[in-house]
Parts: sequence; C-alpha cells; structure tokens
Amino acid sequence: GDSVTQTEGQVALSEEDFLTIHCNYSASGYPTLFWYVQYPGEGPQLLFRASRDKEKGSSRGFEATYDKGTTSFHLRKASVQESDSAVYYCALRVDSNYQLIWGSGTKLIIKP
Amino acid sequence: ETAVFQTPNYHVTQVGNEVSFNCKQTLGHDTMYWYKQDSKKLLKIMFSYNNKQLIVNETVPRRFSPQSSDKAHLNLRIKSVEPEDSAVYLCASRVYAEQFFGPGTRLTVL
Repeated sequence: GDSVTQTEGQVALSEEDFLTIHCNYSASGYPTLFWYVQYPGEGPQLLFRASRDKEKGSSRGFEATYDKGTTSFHLRKASVQESDSAVYYCALRVDSNYQLIWGSGTKLIIKP
Repeated sequence: ETAVFQTPNYHVTQVGNEVSFNCKQTLGHDTMYWYKQDSKKLLKIMFSYNNKQLIVNETVPRRFSPQSSDKAHLNLRIKSVEPEDSAVYLCASRVYAEQFFGPGTRLTVL
C-alpha cells in the first residue's frame, strides 16, 4: 500500500544551523506531496505542497523538491530559528477522495 | 486566523464514562475529519464526513461515533472510554487538497 516514511523522530539543532528532515514515499500513481507543521498547542497547518516531478515547494524559508526518481520530498531550511520548534509532517495524496497518508512526524527542537 | 473551533480544550474523565467533543468550521467546506494524535505525535484518521456520507476507518473501535447536524459541525462521541483513548483529538475540514485543523481536544482517561 501507499506509505510515507520520515526517518527522524526528533532533530535537535542550534539557531542558524542547516535543517534536513527526510521524507520518502511509496505510492502507486502520481501523488501530491505535502509538508505540514504543528506548533505547540495548535493543529497542523499546511506549509506547502508539490504535485509534479522536480517541482519545488517553499514557505517561510523552508523548501522541498519533489523527486520521483528517489521517491523523496526532503524538507530543508538554511538557517533555523527558535520559532521553528514544532512537529513537521510529510504527507501524500494519491486518489481523488483527497485522503492524506501521513508520515510519523519529526519533532524539531531548536536550542537558543 | 482560527476557522476550525474545538471544545473543550481539555477533558479528564474516568474509565467507562461517556464523553463528547465538539467541532465547528466556518470555512464553508464540505468535508470534515476526526483524527487521533497519540503521545508520539502519530496522526491516525478516524472518520471523514462529506455530503452526509460517513467513511469510517475500519480500525476505529465501535465505542467511537461521529455526529453531524450540518456540514459545519462534526462532533465526536465516545460511549465508554478506555485508558488507551487518552490522546489529542483533532478536527479538520478540507477544501481541495488542503486540510485545516482545529487546536485539538486533549483527553485524559484515569
């Protein structure tokens, strides 16, 4: 079946460090890929999406490139801030009912 | 700007009690969801509700039931809570591919 794998359960960085959170997927068909962010005390919110091979999604300094060859959609940010502390979810949609398949989430901790 | 509202924020109860959580969206969306988020932050979809059609995740215990009065409201009832029901319950609505979440209701079962 379709699935999303986030390999890091938790990432701890210092301010201004470079961030990478890995997301790999397995899907039949041609999925749309998403990154959602959940700040403490809030529900997840959409960061950005991508629906075509080599398409780059970006928002708030975060970016990810859809790579069909490696079935990946890794999240990156050049310089993290304390306010980026949150849980990040990778997700995919493959069918017309818009159901999302979610990754397990990655908790990002930024040390001041 | 919050457009998906959930009440209560927190609820503490004892095993065997019945609880109800409310969700209202003001976005005019046709589809709403309930998710369970466990202590490890895993998100599991429980129900989706679209144009009076209910889709139930087959792994959801029967003590859970959604209740809808109109397309803006989707409440969640748990008939007889169990300790493993302790979690954050998130309500969401959807337009096209984007889901909008409420802040969640944290349930603690003693």
